[in-house]
Parts: sequence; C-alpha cells; structure tokens
Amino acid sequence: AQSVTQLDSHVSVSEGTPVLLRCNYSSSYSPSLFWYVQHPNKGLQLLLKYTSAATLVKGINGFEAEFKKSETSFHLTKPSAHMSDAAEYFCVVSDLYNQGGKLIFGQGTELSVKP
Amino acid sequence: EPEVTQTPSHQVTQMGQEVILRCVPISNHLYFYWYRQILGQKVEFLVSFYNNEISEKSEIFDDQFSVERPDGSNFTLKIRSTKLEDSAMYFCASVGGVQNIQYFGAGTRLSVL
Repeated sequence: AQSVTQLDSHVSVSEGTPVLLRCNYSSSYSPSLFWYVQHPNKGLQLLLKYTSAATLVKGINGFEAEFKKSETSFHLTKPSAHMSDAAEYFCVVSDLYNQGGKLIFGQGTELSVKP
Repeated sequence: EPEVTQTPSHQVTQMGQEVILRCVPISNHLYFYWYRQILGQKVEFLVSFYNNEISEKSEIFDDQFSVERPDGSNFTLKIRSTKLEDSAMYFCASVGGVQNIQYFGAGTRLSVL
C-alpha cells in the first residue's frame, strides 16, 4: 500500500525567504513521487517528479525536492519565495513500474506568502 | 501547450438528478482518470480507464458512477442519482508517453442541493 503525509496543513513565509514544505511517504513498491501545485480556481499543475534517477529533482519556478530513502521523505524547497507562489501544494506518490497507475495524494499544504 | 479541458466549470443539481461531467483529454493520450476533492479533504482517486475499459476503481466508485469514452475525444463521468455527499471538485486527468505524468484539467465543481 502507498500513502503520503504532508506534515503541515499551512505554511506562511515572507517574500524573499526560503520555503520548506514537508512530505513523508510510505510505499511497498519503488515509488514515483511528485509535487503538484493548485492555484485558486486552477487545475493541478506538475511542479516536479522523482523516478529513481537523481535524488535531487529540479522543477519549475525555482522549486526543487530531494528524495531521501532513509527518511522516506520528499520535501519541497525554494530558496526565495515569491508572492505568486501562494497556492496549495500536494505531495503525490504512485507505483514507479505501474504504467498508468493511480496517484495517491497527500492532504495538501497551503502556502501563504506575506509581502 | 496541450491541455486537458473540463466542462462545465461549475454544475449545480438537485439531489437525485443525473449529472454528466465532461472531459477532453490530451489527444494521443491513452490513460484517463477521474479524481475528486471534497471541500477541505484530500484529492481522491475514483477510476482509471484504458483501452476502452475500466482498469482500476476505488471503493468510492460504486454503481451510481459510470465512465464512458463515447468518441475519440471525450471522456465522461456520469453520476446516476446524485447525493448531497457527491458535492466536490471533480478532476479529469490523462497520461501519454513514457514519462507517465498525469496532466489535470481545471476541474468541475459539482454542487448538489
């Protein structure tokens, strides 16, 4: 079975300061891990994806995430927050070798960015 | 850039009525999905569809739900007799290519009164 836990339901940062959104996963299989972002009234947009290549994954808009198998974590970071980063972020897991397999979502973390 | 489109963006219906939510996946994609997100809760998988049949469904996807790909472009979710608890945002997604990335539509907000 697979599951994802996002450790913070809400994170608030000031513009220009670092962002850290935490995610722990559980998987019986080799996992694919994703971060998706959802801006208000928009669909889910893929930020980045881990699929067993490099453990540090770079995504769009300056975000990156590091896969740590020993800690079963896949935390999302960004060195400097921008106002446009305010959104809901979802950590997601699926089975790496199951082409077309379903996604399992975390509960989401709402990121607020203060001026 | 190709995108998944969903219509309508908001659907209001009376309890017990049938609704059909429509999705146009990215052309040449082969796998199609429906997910839902009840307000304040996580996004949940409903069903996946491949080669004109359901490949996996969750326990939420009971006999009230059905999916169809009536032509080469549309992918629909039908709820036969809506309940209050069906009120949610419904997302369609599709996958194509070796990267196995699911691309999502903007969602349909279903309100059952």
